[in-house]
Amino acid sequence: DIQMTQSPSSLSASVGDRVTITCRASQSISSYLNWYQQKPGKAPKLLIYAASSLQSGVPSRFSGSGSGTDFTLTISSLQPEDFATYYCQQSYSTQGTFGQGTKLEIK
Amino acid sequence: EVQLVESGGGLVQPGGSLRLSCAASGFTVSSNYMSWVRQAPGKGLEWVSVIYSGGSTYYADSVKGRFTISRDNSKNTLYLQMNSLRAEDTAVYYCARVGITMIVVARHYYFDYWGQGTLVTVSS
Repeated sequence: DIQMTQSPSSLSASVGDRVTITCRASQSISSYLNWYQQKPGKAPKLLIYAASSLQSGVPSRFSGSGSGTDFTLTISSLQPEDFATYYCQQSYSTQGTFGQGTKLEIK
Repeated sequence: EVQLVESGGGLVQPGGSLRLSCAASGFTVSSNYMSWVRQAPGKGLEWVSVIYSGGSTYYADSVKGRFTISRDNSKNTLYLQMNSLRAEDTAVYYCARVGITMIVVARHYYFDYWGQGTLVTVSS
C-alpha cells in the first residue's frame, strides 16, 4: 500500500502569510496527487487535482506542485476562510490513500 | 446542480449490520465512478470503497469481506452494506463522486462532489 505523509501536522499562521504544506508518498506516484480542504463539521472540498490543476471555483491563491514522491500545497496570502484542515490524497492506486492531515490555525 | 445526500447511519451493536444510502441528483450514478470515504471522530480521512461505472468494485483491506458497495440505477442511489461491524468502524461516512480528467495520456481521478456525511456508531 502507498503511504502518504504530510508535514507539518499543524501550523499556526496569520492572515496574509504565505503557507506551504508538504506531502510525501512512500513510492513514486507521478502526478496522481489531489488536495482537499475540510472545515469542522463539513465534507472535504477539492482544491487541486493532478498535483497542480486548480479545481473550478477555487481561488487562485491556492497552488500545487510536485511529482514523483514530493508535493506541496501553497496558499499565497492566507485569508480568514482558509483556516481549516488540509489533506493530500494519492490516486495512483485504486485504494486512494489520504495523508493524515495538516491543521492550519490562526496565530 | 450536483447533490449527494447520505442516510442510514445510526447506533448499532458490534457484530451488527447497517446499510447506508446516498441519493444523487444532477448526474447519473451509473455513468460515474462512486466512492465511500469515512472519518473516525477526530481523525483523518480513510478511503473505503469504489464502484466503477462498469460495475467493478474495490475495497480497503480494513473492510474487505464485510462491506459491499452497490447501486440502484433506477433510484440513482449508491449503497454501502456494512456487516460484522466493529467499534473501529465508528465514523462519519461520506459518499463521493469520482471525477476523471485526461491530462496528456493519463487519467486522473479525484473526489469532486461529496455528501454531507452520515454518522455510524458501533457500540454496545
